[in-house]
Amino acid sequence: GNSVTQMEGPVTLSEEAFLTINCTYTATGYPSLFWYVQYPGEGLQLLLKATKADDKGSNKGFEATYRKETTSFHLEKGSVQVSDSAVYFCAFLSGSARQLTFGSGTQLTVLP
Amino acid sequence: GAGVSQTPSNKVTEKGKYVELRCDPISGHTALYWYRQSLGQGPEFLIYFQGTGAADDSGLPNDRFFAVRPEGSVSTLKIQRTERGDSAVYLCASSFSSGRGDTGELFFGEGSRLTVL
Repeated sequence: GNSVTQMEGPVTLSEEAFLTINCTYTATGYPSLFWYVQYPGEGLQLLLKATKADDKGSNKGFEATYRKETTSFHLEKGSVQVSDSAVYFCAFLSGSARQLTFGSGTQLTVLP
Repeated sequence: GAGVSQTPSNKVTEKGKYVELRCDPISGHTALYWYRQSLGQGPEFLIYFQGTGAADDSGLPNDRFFAVRPEGSVSTLKIQRTERGDSAVYLCASSFSSGRGDTGELFFGEGSRLTVL
């Protein structure tokens, strides 16, 4: 069935470190891929998305590239900040389905 | 406010009781979703409304769960005979669906944390 597997946390980094959070998916057809972020005390919000193979989504210095051949959508940021501390969720929207399928989330803590 | 509003933010109840959770979506958003998030897990889909009708309720775990959206705006998730396993954060999200398929950009509320003792 459809599923998302993402890197388990928690992840703790120092400020300005490089971040990668891995995400792979299993889905029928050609899904749209998303990263959502949940900051402390706030609701989930869309961080970035990509709708077709080789598309790169980017926002707030974060990037992720839709890799169809490896069914992956890894999240990267070159230099993290303390304010990036949050829980990050990989998700996809497949075919005629109207609901997102989410991964289990990765807790990121960035230390000053 | 301009965002998705959920009430109550916290609800503690006893096993066997009935609870209602309310969601007020962003004005003008035609699509409304309910998700459930257990500790350490990602959100799991429960039900999706397009306007007043439940377009997809395949995620509701059993017949104790029911949701309505009578006027196409506010929605209420209703849980009968609550069980300890129902304890979770219930998330509501809305989006503007163009009718040609949702873009996947959902706007989430902060959730209602339900604890069943």
